[in-house]
Amino acid sequence: GDSVTQMEGPVTLSEEACLTINCTYTATGYPSLFWYVQYPGEGLQLLLKATKADDKGSNKGFEATYRKETTSFHLEKGSVQVSDSAVYFCALSEFQGAQKLVFGQGTRLTINP
Amino acid sequence: GAVVSQHPSRVICKSGTSVKIECRSLDFQATTMFWYRQFPKKSLMLMATSNEGSKATYEQGVEKDKFLINHASLTLSTLTVTSAHPEDSSFYICSARDPGTVEPEAFFGQGTRLTVV
Repeated sequence: GDSVTQMEGPVTLSEEACLTINCTYTATGYPSLFWYVQYPGEGLQLLLKATKADDKGSNKGFEATYRKETTSFHLEKGSVQVSDSAVYFCALSEFQGAQKLVFGQGTRLTINP
Repeated sequence: GAVVSQHPSRVICKSGTSVKIECRSLDFQATTMFWYRQFPKKSLMLMATSNEGSKATYEQGVEKDKFLINHASLTLSTLTVTSAHPEDSSFYICSARDPGTVEPEAFFGQGTRLTVV
């Protein structure tokens, strides 16, 4: 079945450091890929997405590129802020219009001032 | 983006009682909604798919008599945890996708923190 594997956390960085959270996936078809963010005590918010190979999703300074050849969708940010502290989930949905999401384990990110 | 609202955000109940959690799509109609459970510091586990006007589809290992799902309208799905026990304490989150768009992402409710004492 489909699966998503994320970099183990927790990750602790200083403000303005560079961030990479690795995500790889296994899927039988051509999934859409997502990064969701969860702030403490809240639900999930969509951070960015990519629907086909070589697409780059970006939002709030975060970026991720859909790499079919390496089945990866790594999350990157050049300069993190304290407000970026949260749990980040990589996820996929298998078919166009499908709604069921398969999530990675989540990576807890803490940014220190 | 589309808005999904979940209520209550937090509930504490006694062992043996039942708790109902509501999930509403506020600005779109959702024929399908999803219910997830999240254990502390863990990922989300899909519990069931809620289908408007028909029975929910449960994932393997999820007790359907324990977690009753009703999707009586295009904007409301409910999850009822029946005869709750402390091991049911968890964070429950619903999601839905707006079928009126071609965008693939799902939108999530704020989540419900259930504590059974």
